[in-house]
Amino acid sequence: GAVVSQHPSRVICKSGTSVKIECRSLDFQATTMFWYRQFPKQSLMLMATSNEGSKATYEQGVEKDKFLINHASLTLSTLTVTSAHPEDSSFYICSAATSGALTDTQYFGPGTRLTVL
Amino acid sequence: RKEVEQDPGPFNVPEGATVAFNCTYSNSASQSFFWYRQDCRKEPKLLMSVYSSGNEDGRFTAQLNRASQYISLLIRDSKLSDSATYLCVVNRDNTDKLIFGTGTRLQVFP
Repeated sequence: GAVVSQHPSRVICKSGTSVKIECRSLDFQATTMFWYRQFPKQSLMLMATSNEGSKATYEQGVEKDKFLINHASLTLSTLTVTSAHPEDSSFYICSAATSGALTDTQYFGPGTRLTVL
Repeated sequence: RKEVEQDPGPFNVPEGATVAFNCTYSNSASQSFFWYRQDCRKEPKLLMSVYSSGNEDGRFTAQLNRASQYISLLIRDSKLSDSATYLCVVNRDNTDKLIFGTGTRLQVFP
């Protein structure tokens, strides 16, 4: 199956700093990438959808100025958590799809565990 | 009401047992249905898509009842390696956005 990588896998930072997470599709071109967040014992929650070359679409309740998404190429999307606070500590997972079709499989990255002190 | 509801479990079963998980979804416009498995502190991995006619993949059988908005997963001859959390996933309306249930935890013991 297709491979999606995320970097870093784990990050610990101080409150108030910004953290950038990269999501790469390694062997296919991803027109659409999705960013999810998962708190302990909860389900994955979609944060935003990004399409290459256009602005990301954010889900209700997700602050676009706090979670900056850039999908600059067909193989790379980045999520920047700006001025991170302890409540932003979570497991952030990206997925990539070749198109926006309903039948298109989403391939998930291994996730990034963010801890904000 | 949650968009996708699952019994959180845990289901503790011996090796070789048959176990079934259920899931209900609230959005009648959903068109795509999946079961994913997620191991502890890892990303979810697609187990199987679920089709209207029901489908089978080895020891795994999935069923969909659109009228009742109900999805099931049956695992036969459970293996220790089946221990994981099983996530019921549907798409939102007629979009490519996925809605995840909180998952049902399965623990298979020797």
